Amino acid sequence: DIQMTQSPSSLSASVGDRVTITCRASQGIRNDLGWYQQKPGKAPERLIYAASSLQSGVPSRFSGSGSGTEFTLTISSLQPEDFATYYCLQHNSYPRTFGQGTKVEIK
Amino acid sequence: QVQLQESGPGLVKPSQTLSLTCTVSGGSISSNGYYWSWIRQHPGKGLEWIGYIYYSGSTKYNPSLKSRVTISVDTSKNQFSLKLSSVTVADTAVYYCVREYCSSTSCRIDYWGQGTLVTVST
Repeated sequence: DIQMTQSPSSLSASVGDRVTITCRASQGIRNDLGWYQQKPGKAPERLIYAASSLQSGVPSRFSGSGSGTEFTLTISSLQPEDFATYYCLQHNSYPRTFGQGTKVEIK
Repeated sequence: QVQLQESGPGLVKPSQTLSLTCTVSGGSISSNGYYWSWIRQHPGKGLEWIGYIYYSGSTKYNPSLKSRVTISVDTSKNQFSLKLSSVTVADTAVYYCVREYCSSTSCRIDYWGQGTLVTVST
Protein backbone atom coordinates (compact mmCIF):
# COMPACT_ATOMS: atom_id res chain seq x y z
CA ASP A 1 0.00 0.00 0.00
CA ILE A 2 1.09 3.57 -0.64
CA GLN A 3 1.50 5.48 2.61
CA MET A 4 0.45 9.13 2.64
CA THR A 5 1.99 11.37 5.28
CA GLN A 6 0.53 14.82 5.93
CA SER A 7 2.14 17.65 7.82
CA PRO A 8 1.48 19.35 10.03
CA SER A 9 -1.19 17.35 11.83
CA SER A 10 -2.67 20.63 13.05
CA LEU A 11 -2.05 24.34 12.75
CA SER A 12 -3.42 27.57 14.13
CA ALA A 13 -3.92 30.49 11.81
CA SER A 14 -5.79 33.76 11.54
CA VAL A 15 -8.28 34.96 8.98
CA GLY A 16 -6.33 36.31 6.03
CA ASP A 17 -3.28 34.14 6.61
CA ARG A 18 -1.67 32.08 3.88
CA VAL A 19 -1.73 28.40 4.86
CA THR A 20 0.23 25.52 3.36
CA ILE A 21 -0.29 21.82 4.02
CA THR A 22 2.07 19.12 2.75
CA CYS A 23 1.37 15.54 1.76
CA ARG A 24 4.14 13.04 0.99
CA ALA A 25 3.67 9.69 -0.73
CA SER A 26 5.79 6.65 0.11
CA GLN A 27 6.37 6.12 -3.61
CA GLY A 28 5.83 8.13 -6.76
CA ILE A 29 2.19 8.68 -7.67
CA ARG A 30 2.63 11.06 -10.66
CA ASN A 31 -0.03 13.74 -10.06
CA ASP A 32 -2.72 11.30 -8.89
CA LEU A 33 -3.60 13.21 -5.75
CA GLY A 34 -6.73 14.88 -4.44
CA TRP A 35 -7.48 17.15 -1.52
CA TYR A 36 -10.68 17.08 0.50
CA GLN A 37 -12.07 19.32 3.25
CA GLN A 38 -14.09 18.06 6.17
CA LYS A 39 -16.00 20.15 8.68
CA PRO A 40 -17.12 18.68 12.02
CA GLY A 41 -20.07 16.33 11.70
CA LYS A 42 -20.10 16.61 7.92
CA ALA A 43 -18.95 14.50 5.01
CA PRO A 44 -15.72 15.51 3.31
CA GLU A 45 -16.05 17.78 0.30
CA ARG A 46 -14.02 17.99 -2.87
CA LEU A 47 -11.32 20.62 -3.34
CA ILE A 48 -8.54 19.63 -5.73
CA TYR A 49 -7.94 16.75 -8.15
CA ALA A 50 -4.94 15.73 -10.23
CA ALA A 51 -2.76 17.59 -7.71
CA SER A 52 -3.55 21.05 -9.02
CA SER A 53 -6.98 21.20 -10.68
CA LEU A 54 -9.80 22.88 -8.82
CA GLN A 55 -12.97 20.84 -8.54
CA SER A 56 -16.19 22.52 -9.62
CA GLY A 57 -17.45 25.22 -7.28
CA VAL A 58 -14.28 25.50 -5.19
CA PRO A 59 -13.04 29.06 -4.46
CA SER A 60 -9.88 30.13 -6.23
CA ARG A 61 -8.08 30.84 -2.94
CA PHE A 62 -7.45 27.09 -2.83
CA SER A 63 -4.60 25.77 -4.94
CA GLY A 64 -2.57 22.60 -5.17
CA SER A 65 0.81 21.71 -6.54
CA GLY A 66 3.29 18.89 -6.70
CA SER A 67 4.07 15.69 -8.50
CA GLY A 68 5.74 12.40 -7.70
CA THR A 69 5.99 12.15 -3.94
CA GLU A 70 5.51 15.66 -2.57
CA PHE A 71 2.36 17.75 -2.78
CA THR A 72 1.04 20.93 -1.23
CA LEU A 73 -2.36 22.48 -0.64
CA THR A 74 -2.31 26.25 -0.24
CA ILE A 75 -5.06 28.53 0.98
CA SER A 76 -4.00 32.00 -0.12
CA SER A 77 -6.13 33.98 2.34
CA LEU A 78 -7.82 31.95 5.04
CA GLN A 79 -11.52 32.62 5.45
CA PRO A 80 -13.73 31.80 8.47
CA GLU A 81 -15.40 28.97 6.57
CA ASP A 82 -12.02 27.33 5.87
CA PHE A 83 -11.46 26.19 9.43
CA ALA A 84 -11.73 22.44 8.97
CA THR A 85 -9.70 19.27 8.57
CA TYR A 86 -8.00 18.64 5.25
CA TYR A 87 -7.13 15.23 3.82
CA CYS A 88 -5.05 14.17 0.85
CA LEU A 89 -5.96 11.01 -1.05
CA GLN A 90 -3.87 9.15 -3.58
CA HIS A 91 -5.79 7.99 -6.65
CA ASN A 92 -2.78 6.23 -8.20
CA SER A 93 -3.31 2.67 -7.07
CA TYR A 94 -5.45 0.40 -4.94
CA PRO A 95 -6.13 0.40 -2.12
CA ARG A 96 -6.77 4.12 -2.15
CA THR A 97 -5.08 5.68 0.89
CA PHE A 98 -5.58 8.95 2.73
CA GLY A 99 -3.25 11.14 4.69
CA GLN A 100 -4.01 11.32 8.39
CA GLY A 101 -5.48 14.81 8.10
CA THR A 102 -4.50 18.36 9.00
CA LYS A 103 -6.76 20.29 11.32
CA VAL A 104 -6.78 24.04 10.66
CA GLU A 105 -7.84 25.92 13.78
CA ILE A 106 -8.46 29.55 14.61
CA LYS A 107 -5.56 31.33 16.28
CA GLN B 1 -27.18 17.41 -9.10
CA VAL B 2 -26.00 13.96 -8.09
CA GLN B 3 -26.91 12.87 -4.59
CA LEU B 4 -25.92 9.77 -2.65
CA GLN B 5 -27.81 8.57 0.42
CA GLU B 6 -26.76 5.79 2.75
CA SER B 7 -29.33 3.68 4.55
CA GLY B 8 -29.24 0.74 6.91
CA PRO B 9 -29.18 -0.23 10.58
CA GLY B 10 -27.32 2.06 12.91
CA LEU B 11 -26.66 -0.71 15.42
CA VAL B 12 -25.19 -4.13 14.69
CA LYS B 13 -24.28 -6.86 17.16
CA PRO B 14 -20.75 -8.27 17.26
CA SER B 15 -20.18 -11.23 14.91
CA GLN B 16 -23.13 -10.22 12.75
CA THR B 17 -23.09 -8.70 9.26
CA LEU B 18 -23.24 -4.97 8.66
CA SER B 19 -25.40 -4.13 5.65
CA LEU B 20 -25.71 -0.69 4.06
CA THR B 21 -27.26 0.55 0.83
CA CYS B 22 -26.43 3.68 -1.11
CA THR B 23 -29.14 5.16 -3.30
CA VAL B 24 -27.94 7.34 -6.14
CA SER B 25 -30.15 10.09 -7.54
CA GLY B 26 -29.58 12.70 -10.21
CA GLY B 27 -27.40 10.41 -12.31
CA SER B 28 -27.17 6.85 -13.58
CA ILE B 29 -25.10 4.30 -11.72
CA SER B 30 -24.53 2.64 -15.11
CA SER B 31 -22.54 5.49 -16.63
CA ASN B 32 -18.99 4.84 -17.79
CA GLY B 33 -16.09 6.04 -15.71
CA TYR B 34 -17.77 6.04 -12.34
CA TYR B 35 -16.58 3.85 -9.50
CA TRP B 36 -19.07 3.51 -6.66
CA SER B 37 -17.15 3.23 -3.43
CA TRP B 38 -17.41 2.92 0.32
CA ILE B 39 -15.20 4.81 2.74
CA ARG B 40 -15.37 4.75 6.52
CA GLN B 41 -14.20 6.95 9.35
CA HIS B 42 -13.70 5.67 12.86
CA PRO B 43 -14.89 8.14 15.53
CA GLY B 44 -12.48 11.04 15.72
CA LYS B 45 -10.10 9.40 13.25
CA GLY B 46 -9.08 9.53 9.62
CA LEU B 47 -10.58 8.04 6.48
CA GLU B 48 -10.28 4.45 5.29
CA TRP B 49 -11.13 3.27 1.79
CA ILE B 50 -13.12 0.02 1.82
CA GLY B 51 -13.66 -0.77 -1.86
CA TYR B 52 -15.51 -0.04 -5.07
CA ILE B 53 -17.88 -1.56 -7.57
CA TYR B 54 -18.28 -0.66 -11.23
CA TYR B 55 -21.71 -0.91 -12.82
CA SER B 56 -20.55 -4.00 -14.70
CA GLY B 57 -20.09 -5.71 -11.36
CA SER B 58 -16.30 -5.63 -11.15
CA THR B 59 -14.99 -4.92 -7.67
CA LYS B 60 -11.84 -4.03 -5.81
CA TYR B 61 -11.49 -4.26 -2.04
CA ASN B 62 -9.02 -3.07 0.57
CA PRO B 63 -6.86 -6.10 1.41
CA SER B 64 -7.22 -5.25 5.10
CA LEU B 65 -10.95 -5.99 4.87
CA LYS B 66 -11.15 -8.19 1.78
CA SER B 67 -12.05 -11.41 3.56
CA ARG B 68 -15.12 -9.78 5.13
CA VAL B 69 -16.35 -7.32 2.48
CA THR B 70 -18.82 -7.70 -0.34
CA ILE B 71 -19.97 -4.78 -2.49
CA SER B 72 -22.82 -5.33 -4.92
CA VAL B 73 -24.80 -3.22 -7.37
CA ASP B 74 -28.45 -3.12 -8.43
CA THR B 75 -28.57 -1.05 -11.58
CA SER B 76 -32.36 -1.33 -11.82
CA LYS B 77 -32.69 0.51 -8.52
CA ASN B 78 -29.65 2.76 -9.02
CA GLN B 79 -28.22 1.43 -5.78
CA PHE B 80 -25.10 -0.23 -4.52
CA SER B 81 -24.57 -2.02 -1.25
CA LEU B 82 -21.95 -2.94 1.32
CA LYS B 83 -21.85 -6.05 3.44
CA LEU B 84 -19.21 -6.46 6.13
CA SER B 85 -19.29 -9.76 7.95
CA SER B 86 -18.14 -10.85 11.40
CA VAL B 87 -18.11 -7.30 12.73
CA THR B 88 -16.41 -6.26 15.96
CA VAL B 89 -16.40 -3.03 17.93
CA ALA B 90 -13.47 -1.98 15.72
CA ASP B 91 -15.93 -1.68 12.83
CA THR B 92 -17.84 1.09 14.60
CA ALA B 93 -17.53 4.03 12.22
CA VAL B 94 -19.28 6.51 9.98
CA TYR B 95 -19.70 4.87 6.59
CA TYR B 96 -19.76 7.03 3.47
CA CYS B 97 -20.75 6.06 -0.03
CA VAL B 98 -18.99 8.07 -2.71
CA ARG B 99 -18.68 8.42 -6.44
CA GLU B 100 -15.16 8.35 -7.84
CA TYR B 101 -14.92 9.55 -11.41
CA CYS B 102 -11.96 8.41 -13.51
CA SER B 103 -11.19 9.93 -16.88
CA SER B 104 -8.36 8.87 -19.14
CA THR B 105 -6.00 11.14 -17.21
CA SER B 106 -7.15 11.43 -13.61
CA CYS B 107 -9.54 10.32 -10.90
CA ARG B 108 -11.43 12.26 -8.29
CA ILE B 109 -14.15 11.76 -5.72
CA ASP B 110 -16.75 14.27 -6.79
CA TYR B 111 -19.73 13.28 -4.66
CA TRP B 112 -20.07 12.01 -1.10
CA GLY B 113 -23.08 10.75 0.79
CA GLN B 114 -23.80 12.42 4.11
CA GLY B 115 -22.53 9.37 5.98
CA THR B 116 -24.19 7.00 8.41
CA LEU B 117 -22.93 6.00 11.82
CA VAL B 118 -22.87 2.28 12.44
CA THR B 119 -22.22 1.18 16.01
CA VAL B 120 -21.21 -2.38 16.81
CA SER B 121 -22.41 -3.25 20.27
CA THR B 122 -24.36 -5.79 22.24
